[in-house]
Formats: sequence, C-alpha cells, structure tokens
Amino acid sequence: QKEVEQNSGPLSVPEGAIASLNCTYSDRGSQSFFWYRQYSGKSPELIMSIYSNGDKEDGRFTAQLNKASQYVSLLIRDSQPSDSATYLCAVTGTGNQFYFGTGTSLTVIP
Amino acid sequence: DAGVIQSPRHEVTEMGQEVTLRCKPISGHNSLFWYRQTMMRGLELLIYFNNNVPIDDSGMPEDRFSAKMPNASFSTLKIQPSEPRDSAVYFCASRGQAVLNIQYFGAGTRLSVL
Repeated sequence: QKEVEQNSGPLSVPEGAIASLNCTYSDRGSQSFFWYRQYSGKSPELIMSIYSNGDKEDGRFTAQLNKASQYVSLLIRDSQPSDSATYLCAVTGTGNQFYFGTGTSLTVIP
Repeated sequence: DAGVIQSPRHEVTEMGQEVTLRCKPISGHNSLFWYRQTMMRGLELLIYFNNNVPIDDSGMPEDRFSAKMPNASFSTLKIQPSEPRDSAVYFCASRGQAVLNIQYFGAGTRLSVL
C-alpha cells in the first residue's frame, strides 16, 4: 500500500465549476498535509497546508482534513483555465518523512 | 529571496559519464531534500539532510548515486556512472521551520542520459 493515494485523473471540469481533488494516506500518525500545484515542465508550488481537522480556506481554494478517515481534499471554486495543472497531495509521516501522491491531472475547459 | 537554486537546468550526457547536479537552498533553511520525478514513478524522495547531515538515504536507488552537503548553502547529487534509466527531472527542495514542515522546490534539472 502506498503512503499517499490519489486518483490520477484526468479530471475535467468546465470553467466556473468546482473541482474536487481527493487524497488518502496510510500513516495515522501524520500531522502535516499539503497540496502542491505543478504546471507542465515546472516545479511543484505549494498552494495549501493544513494541520488540523476541518476546513481551511484561502481565496478560491479550500482544503479539508479528516484524520479519522485519513482523508484530505482540495476544492477549487470558480475553476479557471489557469488552474489546469497536476495537483500533488503530500503528507508527513510519523517519522517526519515527506510522502507525495502521484498527482491528479486537472483540466479546466473554457 | 531568490528561492532554491538548481544548476544546471538541463543536462544531456552519454551513458557511463559522471553527472553532478547542484543545489543552493533558501538562506536560513536547515533541511534539504533531493527528489526524482518520472512519469512512471511520480515524485520520489532520494535523500534528505538536516543541518547538513544525511538523515534518510533509503530512496537512493543504488551505489551509483551519492549526495553531499558540505555546508548549509550547497548540496550536490552525483551519478557515476550514469545510465539511460536515470533520465528524469531532479528537484531539490529546502525547508525552514520544522513545525510547519513546508518544502520549497527549485526549478529542477532535466537530465537526459543517451
């Protein structure tokens, strides 16, 4: 079992819609959770971090964490074509290791 | 701040040659990570350093790979001898406050081994 699992997609949504990206993790001791965005040919860029259960909002982005279900998600409201990218979920393990999922490819259709 | 700086941005070499990738972390950051990214395997952690000391190198594929961090502002990842299967994008990332655990990535080095 991989430490972090994501649906690889591709996920396609129309412009203006809500994009929902999901991630599950295996280490119950994980404390830190991140969403990175990676445009094709570029490096991963941090867009959200979350450390406690519940929702965290930043502009059009909302991260949701449920430690009991070992589940973290990212919602993108009012999706724009510029949001088209691969989204990587990252989790720190009990020993402070850093694990990335394989990423979900998102395409926002104008 | 200039961010994490990697060099070269692109490297093309022939099988059997030595390759050295370089990284300068963000000033003041005390942790440095080397990753490899391929389409097949995604982003894989190769090794990470804390205060210039290697902490976990379990991701280093084999003895052909070695990494050093002689001081807080510089690290190298060396492949000797290189093989075509080493072709990938290699990222360096640095982290500041451990409690926040946020990593910042460099632009990466695209390595092609012919």
